[in-house]
Amino acid sequence: RKEVEQDPGPFNVPEGATVAFNCTYSNSASQSFFWYRQDCRKEPKLLMSVYSSGNEDGRFTAQLNRASQYISLLIRDSKLSDSATYLCVVNLNNNAGNMLTFGGGTRLMVKP
Amino acid sequence: DGGITQSPKYLFRKEGQNVTLSCEQNLNHDAMYWYRQDPGQGLRLIYYSQIVNDFQKGDIAEGYSVSREKKESFPLTVTSAQKNPTAFYLCASSIPGGNGGDTQYFGPGTRLTVL
Repeated sequence: RKEVEQDPGPFNVPEGATVAFNCTYSNSASQSFFWYRQDCRKEPKLLMSVYSSGNEDGRFTAQLNRASQYISLLIRDSKLSDSATYLCVVNLNNNAGNMLTFGGGTRLMVKP
Repeated sequence: DGGITQSPKYLFRKEGQNVTLSCEQNLNHDAMYWYRQDPGQGLRLIYYSQIVNDFQKGDIAEGYSVSREKKESFPLTVTSAQKNPTAFYLCASSIPGGNGGDTQYFGPGTRLTVL
């Protein structure tokens, strides 16, 4: 079983749609969680951190369910510019340091 | 401007040659990391360094070497021992963040192709 699992997609959605991605992680000791966005042939960029209480940033909402060990990202009113790969990232943050584990990414394609 | 730079952006190498990828940051971050990304896959950790003159192996360190002589610099050498070196190489650095986690910021990457 992979440490961080995501549906690779692609998710093909029309502009204006609401789309949700889920991600599951296997290590219950994981302490912090992130969503990164990666455009084709570019570096990943931090989209948002995921807090236990859930957090929202404009059209983006992230939630964490520790009991079920999954993280979600909701994008409302999708824009063409949202087309990218979304990486779920988990930080074990143990004595070995700040160790991020990346999911394989979910590809989103927003169509006009 | 503050940031992380990687050079070159594209690199071609013949089989059997060692090659060194550059990573520099002027963000005053203590920790730096090297990842490898293959098509359609997530990032895998090669090496990381939490402080100058110290570094640790990641999940796929075989065939790679690093040094951390300066805080700003963390070069990665891809040796001829690395069996499948063609990949996208990403360098990152981190600062302490809230909620128990450190946020990592990435350079633009180097795309290495072995001919």
